[in-house]
Amino acid sequence: AQTVTQSQPEMSVQEAETVTLSCTYDTSESDYYLFWYKQPPSRQMILVIRQEAYKQQNATENRFSVNFQKAAKSFSLKISDSQLGDAAMYFCACFPLLTFGTGTRLTIIP
Amino acid sequence: GAGVSQSPRYKVAKRGQDVALRCDPISGHVSLFWYQQALGQGPEFLTYFQNEAQLDKSGLPSDRFFAERPEGSVSTLKIQRTQQEDSAVYLCASSDLGETQYFGPGTRLLVL
Repeated sequence: AQTVTQSQPEMSVQEAETVTLSCTYDTSESDYYLFWYKQPPSRQMILVIRQEAYKQQNATENRFSVNFQKAAKSFSLKISDSQLGDAAMYFCACFPLLTFGTGTRLTIIP
Repeated sequence: GAGVSQSPRYKVAKRGQDVALRCDPISGHVSLFWYQQALGQGPEFLTYFQNEAQLDKSGLPSDRFFAERPEGSVSTLKIQRTQQEDSAVYLCASSDLGETQYFGPGTRLLVL
């Protein structure tokens, strides 16, 4: 079985500050991928960032970066210079058989 | 197409009614996935197609749920004799044999 756990139901951050969202996972697969998806109130899931498990280098996409700790099965998302448009539910997911966590609702405080 | 589209966006059904939800994947995408998302939860896998073949339907909650993709492009998720517990957002995603899935806007189903 594959599980993904997000232990922070809600987080808030001041605009322009940095926030880190936590995710732990468990999988029996040796070759897998991890994702962070963003779901704004409109409910369209948008890919934020992906990480191949075989790569040691942490993925980065502009203001978004991950801290991938394979041994600890941890995959956190760091958002730098937070913007109002970052407010959304954030889901961590593990592929194959895309399994999602329960999400973290991120609020940006102006 | 530019992205995954789903229709209708909203559906209200009376308990016992049959519903059909449509998904148009990104043109050329081989893989298509259906998910069910309850309020306040993450999406849960329902079923997966590669071209027209349904390779995994282990997530379908009951035999009232049926999905098809007869020509390997558009897919339909059908729910027969809807129940109140079927109320959820149904998400469709597609991918090109890779690992990254691109999601549609979802269909919000409310069963009264």
